[in-house]
Amino acid sequence: AQSVTQLDSHVSVSEGTPVLLRCNYSSSYSPSLFWYVQHPNKGLQLLLKYTSAATLVKGINGFEAEFKKSETSFHLTKPSAHMSDAAEYFCVVSDQGSSASKIIFGSGTRLSIRP
Amino acid sequence: DGGITQSPKYLFRKEGQNVTLSCEQNLNHDAMYWYRQDPGQGLRLIYYSQIVNDFQKGDIAEGYSVSREKKESFPLTVTSAQKNPTAFYLCASTHASDQETQYFGPGTRLLVL
Repeated sequence: AQSVTQLDSHVSVSEGTPVLLRCNYSSSYSPSLFWYVQHPNKGLQLLLKYTSAATLVKGINGFEAEFKKSETSFHLTKPSAHMSDAAEYFCVVSDQGSSASKIIFGSGTRLSIRP
Repeated sequence: DGGITQSPKYLFRKEGQNVTLSCEQNLNHDAMYWYRQDPGQGLRLIYYSQIVNDFQKGDIAEGYSVSREKKESFPLTVTSAQKNPTAFYLCASTHASDQETQYFGPGTRLLVL
């Protein structure tokens, strides 16, 4: 069975400092992993996805994530936070080739940016 | 521009009333989905449809109904049987070639009067 755990419900960083949002997953098969971002009262936007190619995945807006099978982790990072990064971030796991019923969303991490 | 539209942005429901949320996409995607989002929680799947005139229940289908008469449209009805309907509702779609990457609409916030 699949599961995904976002280890922090809220992360606060200063503008210009690095961002780390942590995600651990559990999957019986080869997983696809995603990070989505949601700004207040908006839909979700895809940041990046991993589907068994390169383990370091680059996404939009300077974000990247590294797939570590030995640690079952897929943490999201950004070298320097910007005020516009303040949003909710969701880690998502899917067994590759599966249907919608097998796509599991984490509970989300709210990122706050201090001026 | 291709995308997914949801309407209305805000919807108010009275006790005992059925309300319908609209979701339309012009991405030529085959599959469409409805999720419910509550504060501090991830998204929970209500219903999904992979082809026209066919749909399946998700994890929390009770109190909801859907139809898929056209490829572009997947309306969700929140019935009076749904006792706690206050939430943010998100519609999504996927292409047949990549059923894992979902594209989301802007959402509808449903409030109970």
